[in-house]
Amino acid sequence: DVVMTQTPVSLSLAIGQPASISCKSSQSLLGTSGKTFLNWILQRPGQSPKRLIYQVSKLYSEVPDRFSGSGSETEFTLKISRVEAEDLGVYYCWQGTHFPQTFGGGTKLELK
Amino acid sequence: EVQLVESGGGLVQPGRSLKLSCAASGFTFSNYDMAWVRQAPTKGLEWVASISTGGGNTYYRDSVKGRFTISRDNAKSTLYLQMDSLRSEDTATYYCARGGYWGQGVMVTVSS
Repeated sequence: DVVMTQTPVSLSLAIGQPASISCKSSQSLLGTSGKTFLNWILQRPGQSPKRLIYQVSKLYSEVPDRFSGSGSETEFTLKISRVEAEDLGVYYCWQGTHFPQTFGGGTKLELK
Repeated sequence: EVQLVESGGGLVQPGRSLKLSCAASGFTFSNYDMAWVRQAPTKGLEWVASISTGGGNTYYRDSVKGRFTISRDNAKSTLYLQMDSLRSEDTATYYCARGGYWGQGVMVTVSS
C-alpha cells in the first residue's frame, strides 16, 4: 500500500498566521491517466471530514481561497494564507491513484 | 444538497454480525462509485471497501476481506455494509463516502 506521511503532526498558530502542511507519498501519485489523485480534507472536532482540495490543487467551490494546494509526484503541500478560527481541526491528505486508497496520519491545527 | 446518512451501528459482541446502511440523496446515486471508510477512536482514517456504480465490482481492504460485504440498491439510493465475524479491531466510526462527500458517521463497538 502507498504510505502517506504528513508533517508536522501538530501545528499551533495564531489567527492571521499562514500555515503549511506537507504530505509525502511512498510512490508517485501520477496516474496513467495523467492525473494525480491527491486530495485534502479537514475534520473539525466532533465532525465528519469535509472536502477541501482534489487533484493536488483544485479547490471545491465552497472552500475559501485562502486555502491552496501544490505539489507533484510524491511531495505535496497544503497552505492556508491566513488562519481563521474555523480552520482548526485535523487535516488529512489522501491518495486515490493507487489501490487501495490511503490516508496520511493527519495534522492537527490548533489555535494559539 | 448531497446528503449521506448512515444508520445501523451499535454495540455487538465479537463474532457477531451487523449491517450498516447509508441513505443517499441530492444526487443521482446510481452514477457514482461509493465507499465505506472507518476511523477507530482517536485514530486516523482507513478505507474499508468500495463498490462500482452498478454493484458489479467490489473491493475490500485485506483485513475485512471475507468478513465484510459491500452492496447497494440503486432503486433505493442506499449503500450497505454487511459486517460478519466482527472483531474488537473493527471498533470504529464508519463513514459512507462519495467522492468528496462524507456522511456524519455511525459508531460500531465490538466488545463482550
